[in-house]
Amino acid sequence: NAGVMQNPRHLVRRRGQEARLRCSPMKGHSHVYWYRQLPEEGLKFMVYLQKENIIDESGMPKERFSAEFPKEGPSILRIQQVVRGDSAAYFCASSPGATEEKLFFGSGTQLSVL
Amino acid sequence: DAKTTQPNSMESNEEEPVHLPCNHSTISGTDYIHWYRQLPSQGPEYVIHGLTSNVNNRMASLAIAEDRKSSTLILHRATLRDAAVYYCILRTGGSYIPTFGRGTSLIVHP
Repeated sequence: NAGVMQNPRHLVRRRGQEARLRCSPMKGHSHVYWYRQLPEEGLKFMVYLQKENIIDESGMPKERFSAEFPKEGPSILRIQQVVRGDSAAYFCASSPGATEEKLFFGSGTQLSVL
Repeated sequence: DAKTTQPNSMESNEEEPVHLPCNHSTISGTDYIHWYRQLPSQGPEYVIHGLTSNVNNRMASLAIAEDRKSSTLILHRATLRDAAVYYCILRTGGSYIPTFGRGTSLIVHP
């Protein structure tokens, strides 16, 4: 049973380009969370999705950032027109349910913006 | 949102027990206490969780205060591989967003 898969592991973009980060949750998990982590800081919640629905995007910047979790395929975090401040580690986590159940994290995508 | 507070860092010697504290004074009756740890350059991994009773698994033990306003993660014999940031969070039926603070950075000395 594969764990949460994130790809790419490392992503380098120039300012103004688009970044697409992918997250395949564990089999049977329909809840996905995205977090951003800056160096030496904790995990900052970005968005919570269920299949085909955005449940809470209160942690997402209002512009340039979007997320989806289609019926088929991985969840995608998309960052348009990247800036240097977007450089960070992006982690996704999945769980089978919304409340007390444990989270399973991927290894993250390290985004570097040149 | 329910919040937790943890010391920024703690140190231990190898093969000694480690007690990592967490305060959650605003915990509600339906909140589960979860612990995760994050090794360098990796994603967080689940360690243990509980509701009211103390819990044990192969990784650690979780001691929950009787009033549930605090808990302690116990590593019975620290190893160098336990050096990580440890996060205590609440998983609640009232708020479904798992909120992570800065955690406790555990340093293990050989």
